[in-house]
Parts: sequence; C-alpha cells; structure tokens
Amino acid sequence: NAGVTQTPKFRVLKTGQSMTLLCAQDMNHEYMYWYRQDPGMGLRLIHYSVGEGTTAKGEVPDGYNVSRLKKQNFLLGLESAAPSQTSVYFCASSYISSRLNQPQHFGDGTRLSIL
Amino acid sequence: AQKVTQAQTEISVVEKEDVTLDCVYETRDTTYYLFWYKQPPSGELVFLIRRNSFDEQNEISGRYSWNFQKSTSSFNFTITASQVVDSAVYFCALNYGGSQGNLIFGKGTKLSVKP
Repeated sequence: NAGVTQTPKFRVLKTGQSMTLLCAQDMNHEYMYWYRQDPGMGLRLIHYSVGEGTTAKGEVPDGYNVSRLKKQNFLLGLESAAPSQTSVYFCASSYISSRLNQPQHFGDGTRLSIL
Repeated sequence: AQKVTQAQTEISVVEKEDVTLDCVYETRDTTYYLFWYKQPPSGELVFLIRRNSFDEQNEISGRYSWNFQKSTSSFNFTITASQVVDSAVYFCALNYGGSQGNLIFGKGTKLSVKP
C-alpha cells in the first residue's frame, strides 16, 4: 500500500553540492509532478511529466532538472545547490490529465536544507 | 490568469466551534476542477474533495461541507463542531484545461483548534 514514496526524507547540503531526489509510485499513474513548498507560498510546480520519457517545466523550474526514464520513477536533480533551494519538496502522481478531476496523490515530502 | 486566493492566513478556534475556510479562484476556462487538501502537522498532503465546474451542488461529508458558488468564484470549506485533530494547514487548488493536470494552489490557511 505504498502509493507515492519519496527518498530521502531529509537532507542537508552545502552550497554547490549536487543531489537527486527520487520519487516512486506504484499506482501505474501516467502523470507525475514535483512541487516545492515554502512558508507562506503554498505549493509551486517545478517540473512535471505526462509519461515515460517526457518532462516539462512548471512555474519555478530554474536550478532543477528532472528525468522520467521509467514510468514509476520521477527524479529531481539539483546540479549546484543554492540556499534559495532550501524547501520541502513534494512529489505527486495522477491518472492521465484528460480527466482533470483525478486527484493527485502526494508523497510525504523531502525536507532539504542548503547551507 | 489562473489564481487561487485563500485570504485567511491563520484561524484559531476553540473545539466544537464551526469554522469556514474561504477560497476564491480565477480562471477563464469553463471546465475546471477545484480541490481541497489537508496538511496535518506531520506534513503529508491528504486529498479531501474535488468539485467540477458544472456541479454547483453543495457537498457534505460528516463534519465537513463545501459550498461552491460560480457566481462569486468561491469554493468554501466548513468544518462543523471542530476537533483538535482538525488542526492543520488547508489548501485549496485549481486544475484547469490548459494546465496539463497541474494544480494551482492557494497559499493555505492554518487552522488551530484549541481544546
């Protein structure tokens, strides 16, 4: 009964370091998303994917890259971490978007601190 | 422009009081969906309800009820007889035709229910 699993749950990085956040879903969803949540800002979309091998930019894509090599996995990369990327990152997945009413299922979040 | 506004940043009530969380949205699309999510102190995002733009019927689920009014572009959420376990941040979100299934979130309302 895993749903959406994010790895790791916490991470502290130094400025300039790189890392990859992993999102895995076991619901066979086509769509996957990466959001960041900052205090007082709600959730903002970073990148999303409408299927295996496809990715697209969201509202705040700068400084991040993503890959969707397998349908069940969606990776978020930070090539050179900056303090402004300190945030809580959420991954989500949903059925195909032609049915807009499908709710997105969220992971538990990754708390990332950049020193 | 597509936008979701939750004007109430924080609300504090005493247990058993009723409380209404406001959500006002903006979209030019005629087909869209509205969602409410709950984020308890543990941090996960829990889907509560979705409503499509063609259905203005109010909905009740236990102590929760939702009032959707297209005339005022509002989708308000009422908790009746609030309980301490209702303490959380509540997010309203919009999903519209041009969004590729992406959600546009409001900034959230933090509800504190005191015993």
